Amino acid sequence: DAGVTQSPTHLIKTRGQQVTLRCSPKSGHDTVSWYQQALGQGPQFIFQYYEEEERQRGNFPDRFSGHQFPNYSSELNVNALLLGDSALYLCASSSDLLDIQYFGAGTRLSVL
Amino acid sequence: AQSVTQLGSHVSVSEGALVLLRCNYSSSVPPYLFWYVQYPNQGLQLLLKYTSAATLVKGINGFEAEFKKSETSFHLTKPSAHMSDAAEYFCAVDALGGTSYGKLTFGQGTILTVHP
Repeated sequence: DAGVTQSPTHLIKTRGQQVTLRCSPKSGHDTVSWYQQALGQGPQFIFQYYEEEERQRGNFPDRFSGHQFPNYSSELNVNALLLGDSALYLCASSSDLLDIQYFGAGTRLSVL
Repeated sequence: AQSVTQLGSHVSVSEGALVLLRCNYSSSVPPYLFWYVQYPNQGLQLLLKYTSAATLVKGINGFEAEFKKSETSFHLTKPSAHMSDAAEYFCAVDALGGTSYGKLTFGQGTILTVHP
């Protein structure tokens, strides 16, 4: 049983560009959450998707957007990249809102 | 609003010694509490969770944590450290009620170093 998978593993972009990160949840899971982990910090909640809709959102600007597909996979899009967007982006999946969240290995984004 | 404070960004112990990682939380409603471990260049792995059942929670790899409501604490312990325990540990809270389900708030993390 594959766990949560994220792609790509690493990504280098320049300021002002746009980026899309992808996540496939653990089999049987229908809820996907995204977190940003800056260097030396704990993860911060970006948003959560359930039934293809954004259910909750953290304190992140509108440059951060997402999507969930019918197969429950998800994308995180970041527009107009800033240097401060450099971080490890973690995807977590769960089978319902009260279940344990299982994390992927993350995508490390570097903005130059 | 909910928050988590992990006391001590770095903890160093000798192999075989007691491990104690401290976590205090703030929540206006009964919380779910979690400890996750992160090895270098990896995602987060769940060690244990508290969900309002027994206050002493046992997790994987010999770790356990005790929920103390009066102290708003959820400290992580392991009786005997192993070299493989060296990693970064995160305490997280998920406040029940309202729209906070499934929105984890993490502490800043504690890096555990284990010396031979």
